[in-house]
Amino acid sequence: AQSVTQLGSHVSVSEGALVLLRCNYSSSVPPYLFWYVQYPNQGLQLLLKYTSAATLVKGINGFEAEFKKSETSFHLTKPSAHMSDAAEYFCAVQVDRAAGNKLTFGGGTRVLVKP
Amino acid sequence: KAGVTQTPRYLIKTRGQQVTLSCSPISGHRSVSWYQQTPGQGLQFLFEYFSETQRNKGNFPGRFSGRQFSNSRSEMNVSTLELGDSALYLCASSRTGTGGQETQYFGPGTRLLVL
Repeated sequence: AQSVTQLGSHVSVSEGALVLLRCNYSSSVPPYLFWYVQYPNQGLQLLLKYTSAATLVKGINGFEAEFKKSETSFHLTKPSAHMSDAAEYFCAVQVDRAAGNKLTFGGGTRVLVKP
Repeated sequence: KAGVTQTPRYLIKTRGQQVTLSCSPISGHRSVSWYQQTPGQGLQFLFEYFSETQRNKGNFPGRFSGRQFSNSRSEMNVSTLELGDSALYLCASSRTGTGGQETQYFGPGTRLLVL
């Protein structure tokens, strides 16, 4: 069975600093990988997804992630944090293509941006 | 284009009651998935419906059930509510539900409080 681990349930960054959120997955087959963001009292919004094309994936709001098969990682980065990036971020994996749209999520990382 | 809508947004019930939540997918989307989000367990997959058929089911007791109508709208029902059912219930829709390559769009959720 697939699983997702996000290192660090809380991350604090200064405005303008690098944002780095870590995600490792376990899967016996090549996965599809996703990063979602959740703002308070809202649903999930897709930031980006990896579907076996380019290993470096660019998403919305200046975020990008790199798929590294050897490290089973899909870390999310943004060069310069903005106050509006304060939110909770979820990494998710989908492996069983025959089973439709089931996503397995990591525990989430809450990002605090300090002025 | 309207997004995924969920009604009601907030709900308070007492133990032992039952509840029905509704999800209207994006126009043209035929796959609807449901997730439960709690502080302790995180985001967990409940089930997915595609063309009125349940295609995939998570590890939840039989008190949790759902259905999908011919217009792709979906409902989920929880019978005999327990305190632990207090959660944010999210629904997501996608066009064909083939998984992976498709983006799932999430609604704002229904926050259920069981007293």
